[in-house]
Amino acid sequence: ETGVTQTPRHLVMGMTNKKSLKCEQHLGHNAMYWYKQSAKKPLELMFVYSLEERVENNSVPSRFSPECPNSSHLFLHLHTLQPEDSALYLCASSQANSGGANEQYFGPGTRLTVT
Amino acid sequence: GQNIDQPTEMTATEGAIVQINCTYQTSGFNGLFWYQQHAGEAPTFLSYNVLDGLEEKGRFSSFLSRSKGYSYLLLKELQMKDSASYLCAVSRAGNNRKLIWGLGTSLAVNP
Repeated sequence: ETGVTQTPRHLVMGMTNKKSLKCEQHLGHNAMYWYKQSAKKPLELMFVYSLEERVENNSVPSRFSPECPNSSHLFLHLHTLQPEDSALYLCASSQANSGGANEQYFGPGTRLTVT
Repeated sequence: GQNIDQPTEMTATEGAIVQINCTYQTSGFNGLFWYQQHAGEAPTFLSYNVLDGLEEKGRFSSFLSRSKGYSYLLLKELQMKDSASYLCAVSRAGNNRKLIWGLGTSLAVNP
């Protein structure tokens, strides 16, 4: 079974639509992440949840709204997006601890196109 | 500030060896990751270095020099399936959840 799953894999939406991206991890991890990946840019961290509490919010516009109902599920609610929001949205999870770094496991991503 | 540099593109021949370099400047250091990302797919974890030296894992090895802010990923016996983007990411001390990512190196392996 794939460790981190994301749905949908592809999404086309108009600027006035509301949609949600879903992520689920089956690895027993305690931290989950949303990233944005655009061409010719490094991965951009959007949000981090640790033990279901949001611990990072990197100046993301309010038209992106995350939700983490439990340690296995993460959502990204989208509304009134702009064309420049078109990108690959990646979800990741890790077993965050107080010591050293920990590798993140990624889902396959949602390819979002805003028209 | 924080910065990670790696070459944008590289080309190599099947069966050969290729070295992908990564240099970084970060405030605090808590390890360096290498990820592989095939087109249209998720990044997958390859290696993690926190101490100086070489870590070998099959055909892939990763090296770290903390004093030089430098790492490389060495791929041996290249195969066509190794054509992918290779991402370097640094974990900073005090915040192990937030990685600083490079742009990635797109490697093309030719027959």
